[in-house]
Amino acid sequence: DSGVTQTPKHLITATGQRVTLRCSPRSGDLSVYWYQQSLDQGLQFLIHYYNGEERAKGNILERFSAQQFPDLHSELNLSSLELGDSALYFCASSAEGGLADTDTQYFGPGTRLTVL
Amino acid sequence: SQKIEQNSEALNIQEGKTATLTCNYTNYSPAYLQWYRQDPGRGPVFLLLIRENEKEKRKERLKVTFDTTLKQSLFHITASQPADSATYLCALDIDDYKLSFGAGTTVTVRA
Repeated sequence: DSGVTQTPKHLITATGQRVTLRCSPRSGDLSVYWYQQSLDQGLQFLIHYYNGEERAKGNILERFSAQQFPDLHSELNLSSLELGDSALYFCASSAEGGLADTDTQYFGPGTRLTVL
Repeated sequence: SQKIEQNSEALNIQEGKTATLTCNYTNYSPAYLQWYRQDPGRGPVFLLLIRENEKEKRKERLKVTFDTTLKQSLFHITASQPADSATYLCALDIDDYKLSFGAGTTVTVRA
């Protein structure tokens, strides 16, 4: 158990809908990262938040947004969902902001999103 | 364009043998490289980190090498066990705050 929690575990929804994925980092970790993993794309970095502020963006679609709250939990919002958004979405946390090369990322169990 | 390639999609080996996985990259100059293990339907788990100025690092039965001239890292699992069966991912820092992952190599260890 990494100490990172994600809810829900599974989500099934229809095209055009909007969903929110939730992540609670390990106790004391200030950074939260979101990743998307699909069969054809592998693990893709989406976005990184550090202590409430956006730190870096990857290949995140404009239909997707995220935020980190004062209690450090994070939410990833996916809107106007398409079939191709079906994937595993992972959240990871680390103690700092990736400035140290020893800043290991701890991954949560993931949310499996299925868009029908 | 930047690319990370891991040798093959699948590696089948006999228990007790050494598994060797390759991670090659182009158009990157990473300060460090990480290896993760991922079991089906679960999140990746960090295994080892090696810095650009380190040639080799070991942890129990795992060994990683890093050759910045060849732009390659090798990941070895010695005395392999069926419990080592998983997908192994290499990841490079592409700037201070981003990790880029390879597609992974799935290892199956036969008893």
